[in-house]
Amino acid sequence: GENVEQHPSTLSVQEGDSAVIKCTYSDSASNYFPWYKQELGKRPQLIIDIRSNVGEKKDQRIAVTLNKTAKHFSLHITETQPEDSAVYFCAGDSGGYQKVTFGTGTKLQVIP
Amino acid sequence: SQTIHQWPATLVQPVGSPLSLECTVEGTSNPNLYWYRQAAGRGLQLLFYSVGIGQISSEVPQNLSASRPQDRQFILSSKKLLLSDSGFYLCAWGRVNYGYTFGSGTRLTVV
Repeated sequence: GENVEQHPSTLSVQEGDSAVIKCTYSDSASNYFPWYKQELGKRPQLIIDIRSNVGEKKDQRIAVTLNKTAKHFSLHITETQPEDSAVYFCAGDSGGYQKVTFGTGTKLQVIP
Repeated sequence: SQTIHQWPATLVQPVGSPLSLECTVEGTSNPNLYWYRQAAGRGLQLLFYSVGIGQISSEVPQNLSASRPQDRQFILSSKKLLLSDSGFYLCAWGRVNYGYTFGSGTRLTVV
């Protein structure tokens, strides 16, 4: 089955700096890679996703890149703000199975 | 638009008592449904998922079970709760190659 590893587990940045979270996956058949943001005590929410036919996708201050050859994908947040502070989870689909496997999460702290 | 309802929001149950958590989805048909558990400060553990009525795939063979009696209803149950069952339980719906929408969660404390 799919195995998704996520680094770092914690990340502190100054407000206005960029933050990068990296994930690797094991299943070469995976085609879909979503990212979720979970604020303290709340539900995870989808913030961006990328499919295997695309190398990069941007949505305002958030971007995701995918390298299928190396089997890794990354989340980039530019001009970070205090409200970006949360736990971020990457995920990858499990080939023909109708589920995704989540990474272990990255706790991002943006320091004002 | 699609909405997902999950209840109750919080629950305190004694060890050995039964459990029933319910999740319903509106505004879509034949969704994939999922139950996740999250221990404090930890990641998302997939417990069960269902791609149709009566179809349940179990990821974690513990004292929990799931059922899908209707297309948009997903129930998580236990006959006898353990202390280790405490956590934040999240229901979600989704489709292949599209993101999940999570319910608001149930915070379960077993005492």
